[in-house]
Formats: sequence, structure tokens, C-alpha cells
Amino acid sequence: EAGVVQSPRYKIIEKKQPVAFWCNPISGHNTLYWYRQNLGQGPELLIRYENEEAVDDSQLPKDRFSAERLKGVDSTLKIQPAELGDSAVYLCASSLGPRDTQYFGPGTRLTVL
Amino acid sequence: DQQVKQNSPSLSVQEGRISILNCDYTNSMFDYFLWYKKYPAEGPTFLISISSIKDKNEDGRFTVFLNKSAKHLSLHIVPSQPGDSAVYFCAGRAAGNKLTFGGGTRVLVKP
Repeated sequence: EAGVVQSPRYKIIEKKQPVAFWCNPISGHNTLYWYRQNLGQGPELLIRYENEEAVDDSQLPKDRFSAERLKGVDSTLKIQPAELGDSAVYLCASSLGPRDTQYFGPGTRLTVL
Repeated sequence: DQQVKQNSPSLSVQEGRISILNCDYTNSMFDYFLWYKKYPAEGPTFLISISSIKDKNEDGRFTVFLNKSAKHLSLHIVPSQPGDSAVYFCAGRAAGNKLTFGGGTRVLVKP
């Protein structure tokens, strides 16, 4: 069974540019999460989806970050414009339901110059 | 406000010996605690969990102990193997399956 797929794996951009990350969760998983992991720290939740509904986006910096999960499957996380402090690994995770084990993708390492 | 703390950033252990990883938390609302393992360039992989109403959970070489009064949990790996070399994250689970992670402990198992 395929795991959580993320692309791109690496992205280097200049500050003020837009960037987007894509995630395909494990088939049948209704709950999808986006995390940000700064260097030397643990992942921090940005947003959680139940199907296509964002049920917890309290940690998402809404001035520059946006996310969508059209049709309740794939999801895209966007940053516009990117800042130097956005350099991090962006992880996507999915779970069967809202109380089940979360499975993580390999992440997208973003470098903002 | 760091709700989950792993105070040891790294740990080195000889193959075959026991690895003990520690984690402290402050949030009394966590109902589950989880350990994830992470290899370089990969996402975290679920390892083992424990309910807040238990004090021990064992799965093969991995055992997690929870001391609720001290708000402390530990992961024991015995015997340690070179393939266990990775970064280990402790996490507390709150409402909505929201995980709060510690900063991680890097384990190096020497052959």
C-alpha cells in the first residue's frame, strides 16, 4: 500500500516568491494534516482537514498561508509571499479517522533565500 | 509554551544495551502519548503509544512507561540495534487528534 506522497521533495525560492506544496494521503484516509518542522524541533500542526473541511486552522498564519483540499483527497499548501523564516520542512500526514494513528509523508524541504 | 519537552538532544549507546529516552509534559489534557521515529530525509514513523490511563505498554523491543503524577514518560529500547539509530519524537495527543511534539532525541547505536 502506498504511503503519503508529497511533492516536491525540495524547493529553493527567493523571498517574496510564492510556493506550493502538494500532498496525496493514503487511500481511504479521511483526515489530513499539514505540519511545519523547523530545524532541531518537532513538527507543529498548521491545519487539519476532515474530508474537505478545515476543522482546525488555528495555527495557520493566514496572512500568507493558505490550504485547500478539494474533493477531500489531495491537498495543497501555499505560501505567498514567502519569507526567510518560512524555511522549514513541511510535512503532510493522514489518518483513517480523527482519532487514528497519523502516518507522515517524507516532507518538502523549503529554503527561502 | 513548550507542552512537551525532550531534554536530551542526543544519546549514544552500545549495540545490545538498553536505550532510555525521556519526555516531560505539562498538559494534563493529553489522552494518549506517542513515540515516532525519524530517519534522515523521511517523515516520522509511528512506533508505539500509551493511553493516559495506563502506566506501561510493550511491543517487542520497545516499552513505554508513563508516570502521570510526575508528567513523565520514557521509551526503553532493549536490546538496541544499529538500525535504531534515528531521531525519536515524543508527542502528546489532545482533542481532535492534535499532536504536540517534543524537540526530539537523536539516538546513535554503536556496533
